[in-house]
Amino acid sequence: NAGVTQTPKFQVLKTGQSMTLQCAQDMNHNSMYWYRQDPGMGLRLIYYSASEGTTDKGEVPNGYNVSRLNKREFSLRLESAAPSQTSVYFCASSNLPGQGSYEQYFGPGTRLTVT
Amino acid sequence: GQQLNQSPQSMFIQEGEDVSMNCTSSSIFNTWLWYKQDPGEGPVLLIALYKAGELTSNGRLTAQFGITRKDSFLNISASIPSDVGIYFCAGQLAGYSTLTFGKGTMLLVSP
Repeated sequence: NAGVTQTPKFQVLKTGQSMTLQCAQDMNHNSMYWYRQDPGMGLRLIYYSASEGTTDKGEVPNGYNVSRLNKREFSLRLESAAPSQTSVYFCASSNLPGQGSYEQYFGPGTRLTVT
Repeated sequence: GQQLNQSPQSMFIQEGEDVSMNCTSSSIFNTWLWYKQDPGEGPVLLIALYKAGELTSNGRLTAQFGITRKDSFLNISASIPSDVGIYFCAGQLAGYSTLTFGKGTMLLVSP
């Protein structure tokens, strides 16, 4: 039982390049989330998927797209990377809100640098 | 978005001391969660609180859900060097399905 896994762990991109961050969970959770963490800013929600087949914008969605591939996997895509997207990206998962738990479990993160 | 005010921003203490930190808001929360993040790692859930006034312990950690539902507190007793890290509060607002995170309290413990 690995929990939440993320790939890659580190990535360096040039401005304008695209890439997809992968996330998978093996806890049979319904909901999945993508956050970014910047110094002094805490965790800010980019996009989330409350259940398979649905996605919604969070606090800072501009410049990102997501795909809920199946119940286990939720990917985050940067179509044209910008230096402002240099950050640490975390994926998290939880059971359906309202079904007894708002507890979110996090992956180890992807450290992205855009030059 | 909704704001959670977490304080202090950082603490530097001696091993063996007790630590207190808190999160406050002008809004009412239905759930409070406390996480710890070690350097280079993802946040790890420490304690979850679901009822106003609830007091829950996890080893040397104790957290409380404020009776006004607008705040929460985390205490660490007899700190040890491995307590070093960033502690985050997170709250679930009434009517929302997502969490709002505080900006974190960085804890440093001197042996």
